[in-house]
Amino acid sequence: RKEVEQDPGPFNVPEGATVAFNCTYSNSASQSFFWYRQDCRKEPKLLMSVYSSGNEDGRFTAQLNRASQYISLLIRDSKLSDSATYLCVVNNPDDKIIFGKGTRLHILP
Amino acid sequence: DVKVTQSSRYLVKRTGEKVFLECVQDMDHENMFWYRQDPGLGLRLIYFSYDVKMKEKGDIPEGYSVSREKKERFSLILESASTNQTSMYLCASSYGGADTEAFFGQGTRLTVV
Repeated sequence: RKEVEQDPGPFNVPEGATVAFNCTYSNSASQSFFWYRQDCRKEPKLLMSVYSSGNEDGRFTAQLNRASQYISLLIRDSKLSDSATYLCVVNNPDDKIIFGKGTRLHILP
Repeated sequence: DVKVTQSSRYLVKRTGEKVFLECVQDMDHENMFWYRQDPGLGLRLIYFSYDVKMKEKGDIPEGYSVSREKKERFSLILESASTNQTSMYLCASSYGGADTEAFFGQGTRLTVV
């Protein structure tokens, strides 16, 4: 089983719709979790951290389910500018930062 | 702002050459990482370092070595470049411990011919 798994997509979603991605991780000792965003030909950048209690940042909501070892990202009222690849990221106790392969999102006008 | 700087955006090297990719960060981060990113394979960890002169193998260390003589600099070395090492290479740094963000350099697109 891969350490971090994501559906690669692409997700083609009309502007204004809500879209959700999931990600599963294999190491139950993983300590912290993040969603990164990567635009075409650019480096990844932090979108948001994911906390056990769930957290929200504007139109974005992240959830963590430690029992089932998955994290999720929900985007409401999607914008054209949300088109990107979303990377699920896990920090392990040995300080290794492991990335999922990413989920491609295309917002359609 | 945290800055992670990679020495080159684009490099073209010949098969068999020794290649050095340099990465410098200015935030006194303990941890530094080298990844390669390929279509369909995502970011794969090559090596990381959690302190000066310390290094740990990632998932795909074969064909690579690293050097961390100073805290701010982490070098990736391709001892004898091969065409299957053509890729985008990304350096990142972070503070040690949990719940720390990784900051990336702009990437080096290496082509081995």
